[in-house]
Amino acid sequence: QKEVEQDPGPLSVPEGAIVSLNCTYSNSAFQYFMWYRQYSRKGPELLMYTYSSGNKEDGRFTAQVDKSSKYISLFIRDSQPSDSATYLCATRVMDTGRRALTFGSGTRLQVQP
Amino acid sequence: EAGVAQSPRYKIIEKRQSVAFWCNPISGHATLYWYQQILGQGPKLLIQFQNNGVVDDSQLPKDRFSAERLKGVDSTLKIQPAKLEDSAVYLCASSLERGGNQPQHFGDGTRLSIL
Repeated sequence: QKEVEQDPGPLSVPEGAIVSLNCTYSNSAFQYFMWYRQYSRKGPELLMYTYSSGNKEDGRFTAQVDKSSKYISLFIRDSQPSDSATYLCATRVMDTGRRALTFGSGTRLQVQP
Repeated sequence: EAGVAQSPRYKIIEKRQSVAFWCNPISGHATLYWYQQILGQGPKLLIQFQNNGVVDDSQLPKDRFSAERLKGVDSTLKIQPAKLEDSAVYLCASSLERGGNQPQHFGDGTRLSIL
């Protein structure tokens, strides 16, 4: 079983739709949670990060963490064609030395104009 | 600020040959990471440096992969000899060394194809 599970998609939505992307994780030691966006042939770009359960909002993006069920989500409001990319969830433990990120496999999102 | 720089962007070699990748992190970032991203998967850590010391290389295939970070700035990752399963994108990332969760900033990677 992978430590972080993510539906690979692809997920196709019309422009303006609300998008919901989800991951589950198995390791209770994971304390930091991140969402990265990766365009084709580019490196991952950090969108949001949080370390507590609850919601964190940044513009059209909302990250949600539920540590009790080990479930993390990213919501995109008013989706745009420029949001078309692969979205990677990532987690890591709170060890101050070892900071390796454990990634999901990514969900490919296509926003249709 | 300038981002993480990597070269080359693409490399094609035959199996059993050797290859090297170079990374220049964001200025002032003490921590440097090398990740391997196989097609359709998320990145997987190969090695983490703190300045020029290794913090975590538990997932580095040490029989064929090596990495160094001289003077605590630039880093090189080498594969010798390459195998077909090494075909992947090799991503370099860097982060500040402070408390809390300093975000990791990624370069655009080197895409390696093994023939």
